Amino acid sequence: GAGVSQSPSNKVTEKGKDVELRCDPISGHTALYWYRQSLGQGLEFLIYFQGNSAPDKSGLPSDRFSAERTGGSVSTLTIQRTQQEDSAVYLCASNRDRNTEAFFGQGTRLTVV
Amino acid sequence: AQSVTQLDSQVPVFEEAPVELRCNYSSSVSVYLFWYVQYPNQGLQLLLKYLSGSTLVKGINGFEAEFNKSQTSFHLRKPSVHISDTAEYFCAVSLLNDYKLSFGAGTTVTVRA
Repeated sequence: GAGVSQSPSNKVTEKGKDVELRCDPISGHTALYWYRQSLGQGLEFLIYFQGNSAPDKSGLPSDRFSAERTGGSVSTLTIQRTQQEDSAVYLCASNRDRNTEAFFGQGTRLTVV
Repeated sequence: AQSVTQLDSQVPVFEEAPVELRCNYSSSVSVYLFWYVQYPNQGLQLLLKYLSGSTLVKGINGFEAEFNKSQTSFHLRKPSVHISDTAEYFCAVSLLNDYKLSFGAGTTVTVRA
């Protein structure tokens, strides 16, 4: 596609529910990243994919968070048993390789009530 | 580990006036430096980047930044702002050949007529 696409754009969920956030990177981009933007913590790195592998998961805040990438393309970030502190904007980015410009999606705004 | 400090959280400015957004970083090794802009309800867009070479970097929309190694700074400037420059601006660093971006807390620029 023309840019990085994320869905849904907004998600409201009840505390304790699981949510899935989707990212469609730019075609041909092998590297994919998830970041979280929250009021208290600013922009934080969550996870990096190279192809379908995730060599760096160091930013995932707890074991309730997981992510996968299939076909070297679409990625899904899953948050289990959501908590109010998970409320944030989740941004996805991709680049052709890790040394080139990263393009960001518009984000998914997650609100846990 | 590297870190980024954006010295101003809010910068109000009148239309056609100049603006400077300050960014300082700390790192024991060489880094790449970036400025991103985030318009309301949108993702991050790269304004400019410093990888090597000339310390004065020109970006999109009339923005420029100067890398000062001795002062570990990468301040962003625009000589004459427009209403449409109202946005949040993020300074970011990455280690050479690394993929992770470390972001500052952001500076909100509000341009008034």
